[in-house]
Amino acid sequence: SQKIEQNSEALNIQEGKTATLTCNYTNYSPAYLQWYRQDPGRGPVFLLLIRENEKEKRKERLKVTFDTTLKQSLFHITASQPADSATYLCALEERDDKIIFGKGTRLHILP
Amino acid sequence: KAGVTQTPRYLIKTRGQQVTLSCSPISGHRSVSWYQQTPGQGLQFLFEYFSETQRNKGNFPGRFSGRQFSNSRSEMNVSTLELGDSALYLCASSPLGAGTGQPQHFGDGTRLSIL
Repeated sequence: SQKIEQNSEALNIQEGKTATLTCNYTNYSPAYLQWYRQDPGRGPVFLLLIRENEKEKRKERLKVTFDTTLKQSLFHITASQPADSATYLCALEERDDKIIFGKGTRLHILP
Repeated sequence: KAGVTQTPRYLIKTRGQQVTLSCSPISGHRSVSWYQQTPGQGLQFLFEYFSETQRNKGNFPGRFSGRQFSNSRSEMNVSTLELGDSALYLCASSPLGAGTGQPQHFGDGTRLSIL
């Protein structure tokens, strides 16, 4: 069956370090993979999108990698700050189909 | 540009009642998707509407229905409410919809509590 897996446990990272979040999937062939940030009581906010033919995408302190052979995406936040504390969701899109979200990973940046 | 607006923000209902939630997408966006979010199941896809037509549907019972109007505003209806329907209901809009590699723009949701 189709599955998206993100670290179910919260991730605690010291301020200034790099936070790395993982998204693994099975039985999908996504054309696109997206990452979102969600704060308590708010809707998810789009961060980055990477296409199936792209290996890496960067935006300021954020970096996403996409390995379609391993069926995995990694999301990195460099020089992390307490304001980066939130839940991060990965989402897969197959071409012309619905978007499916993982359950998210809670990230805590410790001052 | 105004963001996605969902009304109401909070709603309390009792079992057996029905409820209608509303979503106004970003101007110019023709696609509206609805999601149910619970702590145990995460964000689950309900359905997507594009230019007034349902384009995709998730695995939810027929008690969950929706529609989209000509101005792209969308409503979601849940009939015969059950305790398990307590959740945050989110809508998201985009210009061309899911599967086209476009970001989804979410509202802040309607928190539905069933007593």
